Amino acid sequence: AAGVIQSPRHLIKEKRETATLKCYPIPRHDTVYWYQQGPGQDPQFLISFYEKMQSDKGSIPDRFSAQQFSDYHSELNMSSLELGDSALYFCASSFGQGDYEQYFGPGTRLTVT
Amino acid sequence: AQKITQTQPGMFVQEKEAVTLDCTYDTSDQSYGLFWYKQPSSGEMIFLIYQGSYDEQNATEGRYSLNFQKARKSANLVISASQLGDSAMYFCAMREGLRTGGFKTIFGAGTRLFVKA
Repeated sequence: AAGVIQSPRHLIKEKRETATLKCYPIPRHDTVYWYQQGPGQDPQFLISFYEKMQSDKGSIPDRFSAQQFSDYHSELNMSSLELGDSALYFCASSFGQGDYEQYFGPGTRLTVT
Repeated sequence: AQKITQTQPGMFVQEKEAVTLDCTYDTSDQSYGLFWYKQPSSGEMIFLIYQGSYDEQNATEGRYSLNFQKARKSANLVISASQLGDSAMYFCAMREGLRTGGFKTIFGAGTRLFVKA
């Protein structure tokens, strides 16, 4: 079965640079979630989109922005990167607004040097 | 505010035995969903099982079952017949406001399970 696709899988950036992470949800899934997981920590909810509209917002820094496109893929844009942004970034997708399971992608490991 | 508590930072279980991982939650919402995920050392997040707050029966998926006690606000994961491959970090998570368009999902701190041969 098709899964959530994230690219790139690994990314190394320097401080103050920008990064763009991409997420392709499972076909027919219309909801995308972004999470940040620091080393040894639990995933922190950043933002979600339902039917191409922002649906909920968590602890996403103002330096980050995201959107969901007409084909339901989503991009997380990160600017003025800081060392503390080094983390594993997960995208998850689900179907619909009701109670449905979220399936995670493999994650993008971002290292800021 | 919503909160997930996993009180067991680490647990050991003998291969082929059953193990229960604890999860309690705090919410004032009436419609919410509870998830369990497995994260092996390779880093991926693997969906295990889901329970909606309105589901009257406990969810089961193969060797995984969720012991849902709504009045006590607990959603413990039971793994039967543990296997060496079950050694991983396990996260409990909750999403509130299922019927009002809420999507924010919070995770507990996780429980690291070690399965002994």
